[in-house]
Amino acid sequence: GESVGLHLPTLSVQEGDNSIINCAYSNSASDYFIWYKQESGKGPQFIIDIRSNMDKRQGQRVTVLLNKTVKHLSLQIAATQPGDSAVYFCAENIEGSARQLTFGSGTQLTVLP
Amino acid sequence: IAGITQAPTSQILAAGRRMTLRCTQDMRHNAMYWYRQDLGLGLRLIHYSNTAGTTGKGEVPDGYSVSRANTDDFPLTLASAVPSQTSVYFCASSDGEGREAFFGQGTRLTVV
Repeated sequence: GESVGLHLPTLSVQEGDNSIINCAYSNSASDYFIWYKQESGKGPQFIIDIRSNMDKRQGQRVTVLLNKTVKHLSLQIAATQPGDSAVYFCAENIEGSARQLTFGSGTQLTVLP
Repeated sequence: IAGITQAPTSQILAAGRRMTLRCTQDMRHNAMYWYRQDLGLGLRLIHYSNTAGTTGKGEVPDGYSVSRANTDDFPLTLASAVPSQTSVYFCASSDGEGREAFFGQGTRLTVV
């Protein structure tokens, strides 16, 4: 069946370093992808999205890369800060459809001082 | 701007009791969703509603029911709670066009 999964359940990085969180998806029809950040005790919050007609999209300190050939996307966080410590989820969907988002299991990012 | 409001924020419930988790959104979104989040299993869809008056089953619907009488409200009911329903429950909404969903702050439910 369809699935969206993450390669690594945990990631620890030194403050100031760059972080890379990876995600694989299996539905080749998916054309819309989102990264969410979930801090402890809170609901997931939208970080950045990307559509399948793009390979890369940049936000403030974050970049999402999409490789449709291998059905893989990644979230890069530049100059990681303590406030970036959270669980990060990728999600995929088909834009324009009534289909629900499919979420991966999440990666716990811990920023070390 | 409130966004999505869930109530209660936490609850301890005796097994066998009935419980309704409340969810209200003020964004006039067509679609609303209920997810449960368990450690290591990410977010799993319980029920959804693409528009007022319609509902559908998600990945883990057993033991739960929903209603969507209007656009703003989407309550989730546990008819007879069991310990396996201990979880954190998140309500979310979206424009229903396959784009981002906005989440509430969650309800932590413990069934004992």
